[in-house]
Amino acid sequence: DQQVKQNSPSLSVQEGRISILNCDYTNSMFDYFLWYKKYPAEGPTFLISISSIKDKNEDGRFTVFLNKSAKHLSLHIVPSQPGDSAVYFCAASFYNTDKLIFGTGTRLQVFP
Amino acid sequence: NAGVTQTPKFHILKTGQSMTLQCAQDMNHGYLSWYRQDPGMGLRRIHYSVAAGITDKGEVPDGYNVSRSNTEDFPLRLESAAPSQTSVYFCASSRGGGGPDTQYFGPGTRLTVL
Repeated sequence: DQQVKQNSPSLSVQEGRISILNCDYTNSMFDYFLWYKKYPAEGPTFLISISSIKDKNEDGRFTVFLNKSAKHLSLHIVPSQPGDSAVYFCAASFYNTDKLIFGTGTRLQVFP
Repeated sequence: NAGVTQTPKFHILKTGQSMTLQCAQDMNHGYLSWYRQDPGMGLRRIHYSVAAGITDKGEVPDGYNVSRSNTEDFPLRLESAAPSQTSVYFCASSRGGGGPDTQYFGPGTRLTVL
C-alpha cells in the first residue's frame, strides 16, 4: 500500500516558467513532509520541508504548499532553470520518528 | 567533513555470492538507514540503527543483515545474493531523536546480481 504517491512520473517545463510537482498521501497522521532532489549517480539531497501545522513554506525559488483536507502537497519552482532538471521525491514522516516514507519520484526536465 | 560515504560505487555479483556494502558518516549522527531505490518504487528502507549496538528492520529487510559497532559505520551485508536484490543502495544519516530531522544521503552503490 503506497502511502505517499507521486502520480506523474515525468514533467517537462520551459526555462523561466513555473514547475509544479504534486504529491498525494493517504495517512492523515503524517506530521512532516519533505522534498528531496536527486541527480543521476548521486544520492538524494534535501530541498525543502513543511510541518503539518503549516500550509506554505518558501525558500527562494522553491515553495511547498500543503492541503491537509485533500491530503495533497505540491512543490512550486519559479522560475525553473535547466539546473533544476532532476528527479524529485516527496517524503513524509510521523511525529517523533525518523522514519521517512517516500513517493516514487517525478523526473523534471527543464528545457531552454 | 565528507558527510556520508559509500563503497563501492558499482559492483556485480553472481547469484548466491555474498557481499558487504560499506557506509560511513563523519557528522556524529546517531541515526543511520539503508534504502534501496528501484524503478517505480521510490526509496524503501531496508534496515536502520538509532545508535551503536541497536538495529531494527525497515520495510524490506529480507535477505539483508546489518550491524552497528560504532557511531560512524553501518555496513549492509547480503549473505546469498539474488537477482531481486539488483538495485541502487543508499545509506542515510540524521541526528536522530525524532521530529523533522533531515536525512543526509550517500552517493549510492549500484549493485547488479546476475
